[in-house]
Amino acid sequence: EDQVTQSPEALRLQEGESSSLNCSYTVSGLRGLFWYRQDPGKGPEFLFTLYSAGEEKEKERLKATLTKKESFLHITAPKPEDSATYLCAVGFGNEKLTFGTGTRLTIIP
Amino acid sequence: GAGVSQTPSNKVTEKGKYVELRCDPISGHTALYWYRQSLGQGPEFLIYFQGTGAADDSGLPNDRFFAVRPEGSVSTLKIQRTERGDSAVYLCASSLGFFESLNEQFFGPGTRLTVL
Repeated sequence: EDQVTQSPEALRLQEGESSSLNCSYTVSGLRGLFWYRQDPGKGPEFLFTLYSAGEEKEKERLKATLTKKESFLHITAPKPEDSATYLCAVGFGNEKLTFGTGTRLTIIP
Repeated sequence: GAGVSQTPSNKVTEKGKYVELRCDPISGHTALYWYRQSLGQGPEFLIYFQGTGAADDSGLPNDRFFAVRPEGSVSTLKIQRTERGDSAVYLCASSLGFFESLNEQFFGPGTRLTVL
């Protein structure tokens, strides 16, 4: 059974202080790695899909990277509006997504 | 609106009552998913539809939970004899539904169910 673990559970950063969130996983077979952002009271918002080890994708201040066992979400010079819970998940084809418990990120002005 | 919509946004019911939660997927998406999210947890899979049929219902916790998608578009999640432990946010997602492909799932805003 697929397992996804995210760390840290919560992270507080000063505005402009760069950091990384971790997502480690154990899966059987081919799987994609998905990152989502979730604001309080809202549904998850899709950010990135990664598939091959070494793959990287960027969007504004976010960059997601992938190895064979883990993915990192790097946040460069974050702003208060980047505060949210970041979820990672694994899945493939039309199978269900298996989610981690998320990292709650707070950016302090 | 081009996104996934869910109604109602909030539902408060009493223990033992029956509830229905509705999901309207993105137009053209053949795959539809229901997840349940408890506070501080990631979404947990309940059921997946490809077209009108339930292709995987392995996440439904027991036979009080049932879902339909009669015309391959809108779906309804039905919960009978609700229990306090059913309280959670119920999320719906849809995707293009291509097999053997990385299909991004797009989520609706969720329905917050509270069972008193």
